[in-house]
Amino acid sequence: DTAVSQTPKYLVTQMGNDKSIKCEQNLGHDTMYWYKQDSKKFLKIMFSYNNKELIINETVPNRFSPKSPDKAHLNLHINSLELGDSAVYFCASSQAPSQGRGEAFFGQGTRLTVV
Amino acid sequence: RKEVEQDPGPFNVPEGATVAFNCTYSNSASQSFFWYRQDCRKEPKLLMSVYSSGNEDGRFTAQLNRASQYISLLIRDSKLSDSATYLCVVNILSTSGTYKYIFGTGTRLKVLA
Repeated sequence: DTAVSQTPKYLVTQMGNDKSIKCEQNLGHDTMYWYKQDSKKFLKIMFSYNNKELIINETVPNRFSPKSPDKAHLNLHINSLELGDSAVYFCASSQAPSQGRGEAFFGQGTRLTVV
Repeated sequence: RKEVEQDPGPFNVPEGATVAFNCTYSNSASQSFFWYRQDCRKEPKLLMSVYSSGNEDGRFTAQLNRASQYISLLIRDSKLSDSATYLCVVNILSTSGTYKYIFGTGTRLKVLA
């Protein structure tokens, strides 16, 4: 039973298209995240939601719009895709980050390729 | 200065060797510390949390030095299956008043037969 699942696993699309990635967690966590891992393998936080509320937005272009319909889901919509958006996008969740405790659990990642 | 810094490696070691990785962090208010492991084309997975008093899990030992702001991971008796990228992760208080997980760039380990 996958704890954090995201779809699709692979996404190949043309520049200028709009695409969405979905994420769901069944761990009962309050907080969910989107991370981007670029070609140099550096994992960088993009967004964080706590109980459906956006709490961290790390100066990501506004072409990226996260949406959290409930605390178990955090989707990422990307408008007008650019070549530089090609990366692996990881969804994660954690419990009680405001307490500074608890590890983050990651989904399998979505490998986005913009051509 | 990066918030979390690691030597990217690669560290190439023979089977059975002992290898140590260090990681430094810049924010003295950091609360929690972790080592994650990431295999090629896979998601990061928790290897171990790092506690103030240091902790051990089988062949793996983690240490935290708050005064010097560094974390270490020691792997004893390396196995081929230990080959992966090891990510140092720090939980830092963000400007919004909540915590976020900051990743180092990772240290690549290759254990050779």
